[in-house]
Amino acid sequence: GQNIDQPTEMTATEGAIVQINCTYQTSGFNGLFWYQQHAGEAPTFLSYNVLDGLEEKGRFSSFLSRSKGYSYLLLKELQMKDSASYLCAVMDSNYQLIWGAGTKLIIKP
Amino acid sequence: NAGVTQTPKFRVLKTGQSMTLLCAQDMNHEYMYWYRQDPGMGLRLIHYSVGEGTTAKGEVPDGYNVSRLKKQNFLLGLESAAPSQTSVYFCASSTGRAESGELFFGEGSRLTVL
Repeated sequence: GQNIDQPTEMTATEGAIVQINCTYQTSGFNGLFWYQQHAGEAPTFLSYNVLDGLEEKGRFSSFLSRSKGYSYLLLKELQMKDSASYLCAVMDSNYQLIWGAGTKLIIKP
Repeated sequence: NAGVTQTPKFRVLKTGQSMTLLCAQDMNHEYMYWYRQDPGMGLRLIHYSVGEGTTAKGEVPDGYNVSRLKKQNFLLGLESAAPSQTSVYFCASSTGRAESGELFFGEGSRLTVL
């Protein structure tokens, strides 16, 4: 079966760096997405990786290793507004998105 | 910009009642989707559409029907609601596949079935 694994919850301190991991097993691969979802709100797009390596966007970076079925989202200079759930999703060979359950990130002052 | 708009935002139903959730997008997107989100689980695709007049089943289609009569609208119907359909429903749209496949989500519709 297809599976996306990510930690359920993580805690970090304001101003610090946090890495949220995502491992996947899917039928084919057409890219990996990260979305941010604040409590009670809709998910919003953060990043897309289809080739191995690191993609940087401001304070957020996303890494992909297709051979290891692994990705991480790196958040630097954490701010209180980064408290949210972070969703990892993989597009399979049928161009269907398979979603992880999300990682709830709690930022403490 | 309105983006993706869902109505209603909240609804309480009794078992066996029917209802329709409406999704409207103003971005001229071809693809539209209906997801449900339950605690501890990833988003699960109910039905989707790759263009006006077309629909297809997703991962969890049972108990739901959809229609895409106009490109900008995607309706999700529950013919006979069950408590297991208590969930938050998200509509999303996109231009297409993979690299252009960033999803734009509506604000969600919270449905409770008693």
